[in-house]
Amino acid sequence: DAKTTQPNSMESNEEEPVHLPCNHSTISGTDYIHWYRQLPSQGPEYVIHGLTSNVNNRMASLAIAEDRKSSTLILHRATLRDAAVYYCILRDPNSGNTPLVFGKGTRLSVIA
Amino acid sequence: GAVVSQHPSWVICKSGTSVKIECRSLDFQATTMFWYRQFPKQSLMLMATSNEGSKATYEQGVEKDKFLINHASLTLSTLTVTSAHPEDSSFYICSARPRSGTRGVNEQFFGPGTRLTVL
Repeated sequence: DAKTTQPNSMESNEEEPVHLPCNHSTISGTDYIHWYRQLPSQGPEYVIHGLTSNVNNRMASLAIAEDRKSSTLILHRATLRDAAVYYCILRDPNSGNTPLVFGKGTRLSVIA
Repeated sequence: GAVVSQHPSWVICKSGTSVKIECRSLDFQATTMFWYRQFPKQSLMLMATSNEGSKATYEQGVEKDKFLINHASLTLSTLTVTSAHPEDSSFYICSARPRSGTRGVNEQFFGPGTRLTVL
C-alpha cells in the first residue's frame, strides 16, 4: 500500500471545525483513502473512506483533491470526544486479504 | 457497524506464564483476522494474519512459537503469548474482515484491545 504523510499533532477549540490533512502523492488509481481514529485505550474505529468524490457521513466529511494526491478529513464541530489519533490509510480492494497498515497518524487535541 | 469483541480487556501476569487472548466477531463471519500490537505512544504494528482453518502468517520479527495464533472457527481467533516477559507488555488489538461474498468484505473491524502487563 502507498505511504501517507500526516502532521504529528493538531489542536482545535471545541465546537470549531477541524481540517486534518493527509498527503499521498504515490497513490495508485485503485487505492481507496480510508480514515480511522483511535480514542485513548481503545481499538481503531472507522471514520470514512472514498475513492475520488468527496464523501459525507454522520461523523465527518472527506475532501479528496482532484489529482488524489492529498485529502482532508473534516470534523465540522469538534467535541472533546473527538480527541484521538486519526489515521489516513490507503488500500487497494483488489489487493486480496491484505490488512490495513497504520502510519503514525495525527494526534488531535480538543480544547474546551 | 459490525462488532468485534476481545477478552480479556486487560490482564496482569507473572513473567514466564502464558496468556490467551480471544477475539470474536459477534455478528458476522470472518475468514481473516489480524493481530496488531501497540506500544505506548506508537502506532499499531501488524503481528500476524490469521485465516480460518489454516496456519497464521507472521510478520518479520514476530516469533511464531511465542505468539501462537489459532483461528478455529469463522468467529473466533485466539492469540496466546507463551512464556510472557515484561517486554511483551503491550496493547494487543485484533481485527476481522467479513468473509468473501458478504457485505463489507473490504472493510476491517477492530476489537477494543487487550492490555497485557507482565510483571
